[in-house]
Amino acid sequence: TQLLEQSPQFLSIQEGENLTVYCNSSSVFSSLQWYRQEPGEGPVLLVTVVTGGEVKKLKRLTFQFGDARKDSSLHITAAQPGDTGLYLCAGDQTGANNLFFGTGTRLTVIP
Amino acid sequence: DSGVTQTPKHLITATGQRVTLRCSPRSGDLSVYWYQQSLDQGLQFLIQYYNGEERAKGNILERFSAQQFPDLHSELNLSSLELGDSALYFCASSPRLSGNTIYFGEGSWLTVV
Repeated sequence: TQLLEQSPQFLSIQEGENLTVYCNSSSVFSSLQWYRQEPGEGPVLLVTVVTGGEVKKLKRLTFQFGDARKDSSLHITAAQPGDTGLYLCAGDQTGANNLFFGTGTRLTVIP
Repeated sequence: DSGVTQTPKHLITATGQRVTLRCSPRSGDLSVYWYQQSLDQGLQFLIQYYNGEERAKGNILERFSAQQFPDLHSELNLSSLELGDSALYFCASSPRLSGNTIYFGEGSWLTVV
């Protein structure tokens, strides 16, 4: 059973377009993280959101945590080829020591 | 550079063999996590150690074992290897027992032939 489902699974867009990636669950999380992973490398933390309804911006990336703390979204404005990679959401639950990772969204930005 | 070091980066071995993957966490981090990433199953949590003790167990096979040493480095032992064990194995570390931020190493690519 996958606690966190991401959509879409694959996304291929042209440079300059906007996109949104979703991370959904039926479970409540204490916090939620977004990671980006490039081929042959480990996931790199982008952001952590901890409060329901919280919105965080990181340059062209906007992250939102759902009010009920069960879902999150990542919006990228004016995508660039450097944004290409695997985007993973991960949730932290009270009482659990490990993070639960989502199924991943593989983004390709075409120049 | 996350500060988490994994060796070896690549490993090719035959079925039935045993390998050991090594991880040095970030300086000061007490928690070490092991994850397996394969093409069809995403990032799967295997096991966590905190200050030398096993604290959480995920989908780790009985053929696999891990330990964390007094200097906080960790090893993941994979035995009786099967073709399906081919994957990228990641170590991650965090300063706390139940951290919401963990830092990944670059992974160890294991190919079983």
